[in-house]
Amino acid sequence: DAKTTQPTSMDCAEGRAANLPCNHSTISGNEYVYWYRQIHSQGPQYIIHGLKNNETNEMASLIITEDRKSSTLILPHATLRVTAVYYCTGGYGQNFVFGPGTRLSVLP
Amino acid sequence: EPEVTQTPSHQVTQMGQEVILRCVPISNHLYFYWYRQILGQKVEFLVSFYNNEISEKSEIFDDQFSVERPDGSNFTLKIRSTKLEDSAMYFCASSGYRVNSYEQYFGPGTRLTVT
Repeated sequence: DAKTTQPTSMDCAEGRAANLPCNHSTISGNEYVYWYRQIHSQGPQYIIHGLKNNETNEMASLIITEDRKSSTLILPHATLRVTAVYYCTGGYGQNFVFGPGTRLSVLP
Repeated sequence: EPEVTQTPSHQVTQMGQEVILRCVPISNHLYFYWYRQILGQKVEFLVSFYNNEISEKSEIFDDQFSVERPDGSNFTLKIRSTKLEDSAMYFCASSGYRVNSYEQYFGPGTRLTVT
């Protein structure tokens, strides 16, 4: 699985877009980029994944650079409810390696 | 919306005892997983299971651990002789099948406390 690096923490004002970066320079050609989040002690929650193209769903948008060495998760109009630890991971999905992630704090 | 369920939500056991953690994956999923998270630490992969056999396991998943899918719905994790360091949240996950794309859906977890 690809090794990923993320900032330890980020703040975002409520109602603004949160942009969470991830570096995955060792990702191989067939590995997808997955994003998950963990709210408090709950189970990780799947957010979005992508291979090469940008992706959007009801939760977020994923922007992957053309060289696939990094990506950005965009949470539009962040609310207090999305305060969580966000994990970026790469792989084929059989055994995700979760790093420490980014602790996103949405501030009122 | 279908979801992964886990029982019990909290299990307290004495060191050396056997515990079985239970999971009901999403019904049409084919791949099943166990992860654990020691308090304040990262989520760690334990094992993946497909077609009634283990497909991958980590170094954490030693001989004290076993998994089973005893019927068409349950997926269990057994720890034969628990140690204090087994205290953690244990998460079950499942995923369907799509070529090279296996987004996993996690259950709410079982908090295991070994005393």
